[in-house]
Amino acid sequence: GQSLEQPSEVTAVEGAIVQINCTYQTSGFYGLSWYQQHDGGAPTFLSYNGLDGLEETGRFSSFLSRSDSYGYLLLQELQMKDSASYFCASRDDKIIFGKGTRLHILP
Amino acid sequence: SQTIHQWPATLVQPVGSPLSLECTVEGTSNPNLYWYRQAAGRGLQLLFYSIGIDQISSEVPQNLSASRPQDRQFILSSKKLLLSDSGFYLCAWNPTGAYNSPLHFGNGTRLTVT
Repeated sequence: GQSLEQPSEVTAVEGAIVQINCTYQTSGFYGLSWYQQHDGGAPTFLSYNGLDGLEETGRFSSFLSRSDSYGYLLLQELQMKDSASYFCASRDDKIIFGKGTRLHILP
Repeated sequence: SQTIHQWPATLVQPVGSPLSLECTVEGTSNPNLYWYRQAAGRGLQLLFYSIGIDQISSEVPQNLSASRPQDRQFILSSKKLLLSDSGFYLCAWNPTGAYNSPLHFGNGTRLTVT
C-alpha cells in the first residue's frame, strides 16, 4: 500500500519562509507532487519531483530524496494569499495524496 | 485546450436515495480518470481510477461504484446513500503514461446526505 505523512498544520509570518515536509511509504514510486487547495476550491498543481534534488518554480521550491523517502515544499516570501492547504502526492500506477498541511499566515 | 467538467456543483440528498455524479473531459484522448472524496477539513481519498474504457480500479470497498461508458466520461454512482457519503467529490484527469504530468481537477461536487 501507499501512505504519505505530513504535518497537519503550520503557521508562519508574512514575508517569511516555510517548509512543509512529507514522508512516504509506497510499493511503487515514480515521483512526488505538491498541490495547493484554497478553502472551497479544487486542488491545483504546484510542482513535481521525479528525480532527487530541488525543483524551483518562482517562490515555490520542492525537494525529493528517494533514499530517505522524503520530500518537502518550500515557500518563500510568504503572502497572505498563500494561506491554504498543501498536499503531497505520490505516483505509481495511481496517485495517492497525503492528508494535507494547513498553512496559516500571520500578518 | 483540455477542460474538465463536473456536475452538479452542490447536491443535497436524503439517506437511502441514489446518486449519480458525472465528469467529462474535453480536448484529450484516453485520459486517466480519477474520483476522489474529501471529508470536511480532511485529505483526498482515492475512490476509483480508470486507465481506459471498462478498466476501473476500486480503492475503497463501499457502497459507491464507478463507470466509464465513453473514453472521456466518468460516472460515480450509488444505489443507496449513507450519511457517511457526505463530502466533496472531485473528478480529475491526467494524460496516460506521463508520470510527471499533473492531475487536473474539476470544480467538485459538494454532497450533503441528510
